Amino acid sequence: EDQVTQSPEALRLQEGESSSLNCSYTVSGLRGLFWYRQDPGKGPEFLFTLYSAGEEKEKERLKATLTKKESFLHITAPKPEDSATYLCAVRGVSGGYNKLIFGAGTRLAVHP
Amino acid sequence: NAGVTQTPKFRVLKTGQSMTLLCAQDMNHEYMYWYRQDPGMGLRLIHYSVGEGTTAKGEVPDGYNVSRLKKQNFLLGLESAAPSQTSVYFCASSYSGQPLAKNIQYFGAGTRLSVL
Repeated sequence: EDQVTQSPEALRLQEGESSSLNCSYTVSGLRGLFWYRQDPGKGPEFLFTLYSAGEEKEKERLKATLTKKESFLHITAPKPEDSATYLCAVRGVSGGYNKLIFGAGTRLAVHP
Repeated sequence: NAGVTQTPKFRVLKTGQSMTLLCAQDMNHEYMYWYRQDPGMGLRLIHYSVGEGTTAKGEVPDGYNVSRLKKQNFLLGLESAAPSQTSVYFCASSYSGQPLAKNIQYFGAGTRLSVL
């Protein structure tokens, strides 16, 4: 059974304090690992897709990396506007209709 | 470009009442999805559609029905609402086919439903 576990559940950082969010997964034949950002009261917003171990993608202060068992979302020198819930999802070989399995998310709070 | 639009944004129902949530997308996507999001849990798929006139069950379909009469619209119905259906509902849409890199799900802003 495809499964996604995110840790920690919540993370509090001071502005400028770099850290990483973890997404551990089990999937039959990975066909993509997705990171989304979700602000309170809004829908998830797409950030990155990673397809193979060793792949990395960056956007502003965010960098996503992928291994065969987990993905990390590294946040460098975060700002208060980076506060949000970050969701991880995987698509496996059985996802013929683009099926995604989501983790519960990590709530990030960045304080000035 | 509106993307994915959900209506209504908020709704309060009494147990046993019915309602329909509307999702509209303007990206000409073939695939559409309905999810529910509950505290401490990931998004869970209720129903999905791979094209106009076709629908299928997802992970948690009980108590819900869907219809896709037009490519751009996907409706989620609750025939007899129960308190367990109190949740935030999200609609998403995506391209289908190759390359996989284009198969990103784009989400609406959500509908917050309370069933008393």
